[in-house]
Amino acid sequence: ETGVTQSPTHLIKTRGQQVTLRCSSQSGHNTVSWYQQALGQGPQFIFQYYREEENGRGNFPPRFSGLQFPNYSSELNVNALELDDSALYLCASSSSGYGYTFGSGTRLTVV
Amino acid sequence: AQSVTQLDSHVSVSEGTPVLLRCNYSSSYSPSLFWYVQHPNKGLQLLLKYTSAATLVKGINGFEAEFKKSETSFHLTKPSAHMSDAAEYFCVVTTNTGTASKLTFGTGTRLQVTL
Repeated sequence: ETGVTQSPTHLIKTRGQQVTLRCSSQSGHNTVSWYQQALGQGPQFIFQYYREEENGRGNFPPRFSGLQFPNYSSELNVNALELDDSALYLCASSSSGYGYTFGSGTRLTVV
Repeated sequence: AQSVTQLDSHVSVSEGTPVLLRCNYSSSYSPSLFWYVQHPNKGLQLLLKYTSAATLVKGINGFEAEFKKSETSFHLTKPSAHMSDAAEYFCVVTTNTGTASKLTFGTGTRLQVTL
């Protein structure tokens, strides 16, 4: 079985730009969650998608948005990038909420 | 709301000695608890999970954790540390938000293993 794949692995963007991060779920997993991990901190929940619908959201502004596709892959979009958006973005896929498999993350740097 | 508190931000042990990473949880009902490990510049790897079955949970790489309801603790242990165990460890609890089940992470414990 394949794991969770995220792309790109690293990205540098300028403040005010928009970015799209991608995640391919583990085979058989219908739920995908996104987390932001700032340097030296634990991951923070951004939102979760289940069968193409957002069904949970953390304390992040609307400029953080997402999509889930019929094959359960997902995108995280961030508009109007700010310096504080610099972080490791982690995608996790799961099924029934008990088995979360994380990808290796996308390191976003905003300059 | 469910939460976890990792009592040590940094733990240093010698190779071959026991490891103890401490975690207390707060939950209004029986929680699902996890320990994840993160090596430098890597994603998160599941070490073990507790889901109300046996209170002593065995994980990968010789790690285990014991769920103690009376102490609201879920400490991670390993009898003998190896250099490859040096990493950041996160205690995690599941929390329901809307119809979603999200992971709430502790602040992490950095494990240093010395020769």
